[in-house]
Amino acid sequence: AQSVTQLDSQVPVFEEAPVELRCNYSSSVSVYLFWYVQYPNQGLQLLLKYLSGSTLVKGINGFEAEFNKSQTSFHLRKPSVHISDTAEYFCAVSDREEYGNKLVFGAGTILRVKS
Amino acid sequence: GAGVSQSPRYKVTKRGQDVALRCDPISGHVSLYWYRQALGQGPEFLTYFNYEAQQDKSGLPNDRFSAERPEGSISTLTIQRTEQRDSAMYRCASSLGVAGAVGEQFFGPGTRLTVL
Repeated sequence: AQSVTQLDSQVPVFEEAPVELRCNYSSSVSVYLFWYVQYPNQGLQLLLKYLSGSTLVKGINGFEAEFNKSQTSFHLRKPSVHISDTAEYFCAVSDREEYGNKLVFGAGTILRVKS
Repeated sequence: GAGVSQSPRYKVTKRGQDVALRCDPISGHVSLYWYRQALGQGPEFLTYFNYEAQQDKSGLPNDRFSAERPEGSISTLTIQRTEQRDSAMYRCASSLGVAGAVGEQFFGPGTRLTVL
C-alpha cells in the first residue's frame, strides 16, 4: 500500500524567504502526485499536480514542485513566500495502476510565514 | 459559483447515536469521494462513487459506516452507533470525469464530527 511522508510537521520562515516542503512516497510503482493547500476553515485546494511529462511542475501562487522518481520525492518550493502563504500543505499520491484515483495523503506540513 | 458543499459543518452527538453527513458535489461531477481526517493527520480515503455506483468502499473502517448516492448527485455518509473514535473531520470531494481518468478532486469544507 502507498504511504506518503511529509518530513516536517511545521516550517517557520520569514516573509520573502524561500521555502521547501518535503514529500516522499513509498512505492516505486507509477504514481500521480499532488500538492493541496488548506487555509483555515476552508476545504483543500489543489496547488499543482504531476501526471506525466516534465518533472518540474508549476502551480498556482508561485509554487512549483519537482518529481524525482529515483528518490521517490515530490518536494514543493517557492522562491519568496508571503504572509498569505501561511496554511497547511498536504502531499498526496494516487496509483496509476489502480482504478479510482483515490488519494493517499501525507500528515501535512504547517507553513508559518513571519514578518 | 457553487463548489462542493457539506452539511452540517459541525455535528456534536452522543455515543451510540446515528449520524448522517451530507455532500452536495459540483453539478455535473461524475465521481464523488469521502475522506476522513483525524486531528494532526492527512485525509484518509473511505469510499467513492461513479454516478450512483459505489465503486470502492475498502476504506470504510467497519460495518457501522455506509454511504449512498442514489441519484448520482448528493451523497450521504451514515455512521451508526457512533463511538468516540469516530470523531474527526469528514471531507467530501468531487471530480468531473469518471474515476478511471485522472481529474482534480474538488474538496468541500468538511463536517467536523464530535462524539461525546
